[in-house]
Amino acid sequence: NAGVMQNPRHLVRRRGQEARLRCSPMKGHSHVYWYRQLPEEGLKFMVYLQKENIIDESGMPKERFSAEFPKEGPSILRIQQVVRGDSAAYFCASSPLATGTAARDTQYFGPGTRLTVL
Amino acid sequence: DAKTTQPNSMESNEEEPVHLPCNHSTISGTDYIHWYRQLPSQGPEYVIHGLTSNVNNRMASLAIAEDRKSSTLILHRATLRDAAVYYCILRELYNQGGKLIFGQGTELSVKP
Repeated sequence: NAGVMQNPRHLVRRRGQEARLRCSPMKGHSHVYWYRQLPEEGLKFMVYLQKENIIDESGMPKERFSAEFPKEGPSILRIQQVVRGDSAAYFCASSPLATGTAARDTQYFGPGTRLTVL
Repeated sequence: DAKTTQPNSMESNEEEPVHLPCNHSTISGTDYIHWYRQLPSQGPEYVIHGLTSNVNNRMASLAIAEDRKSSTLILHRATLRDAAVYYCILRELYNQGGKLIFGQGTELSVKP
């Protein structure tokens, strides 16, 4: 069973460009989480999605950031008009979570996408 | 989610046991205690979790105080590969969101 896959592993963008980060969850997992780790800082939750639904986006910046998890295909984290402050490692995690058991579930993380904004 | 407190850093010698402490004095009766770790340049990985009783798995042991206000992650024989940041996280039983709230963690260094 392949683990969580993220691509690209490294992404370089110039200010004002768009960044698209992809996450393929583990087989059988329908719950995806995105986290961001700024340089020299801790991991921060961004958004939680189930297939075709955003469940919790309380950690998403209000502008320029969006996420989706379509019925078919990977989850996408999209950053429009990137700025230098968006440079960070973005991690995706998946879980087979069943409602009501969040406290016991395990999240499986991908290797991350390291975004550098020039 | 309830707050946890961990030392910023710890050192260990290779092949010796390591005890990583975590304080969570405001834990509620239904909070689970989870540990994740993040190796350099990698994504976090699950280590272990528990509620009240001590837990063992192939990676580590989790010792939970009787009053549940603290816990200790035990690596029985540290290897160089165990050098990582270890995060102690509380998760509410009925937290439908499921998100993990990471603190600063403990950076463990292992000396050969």
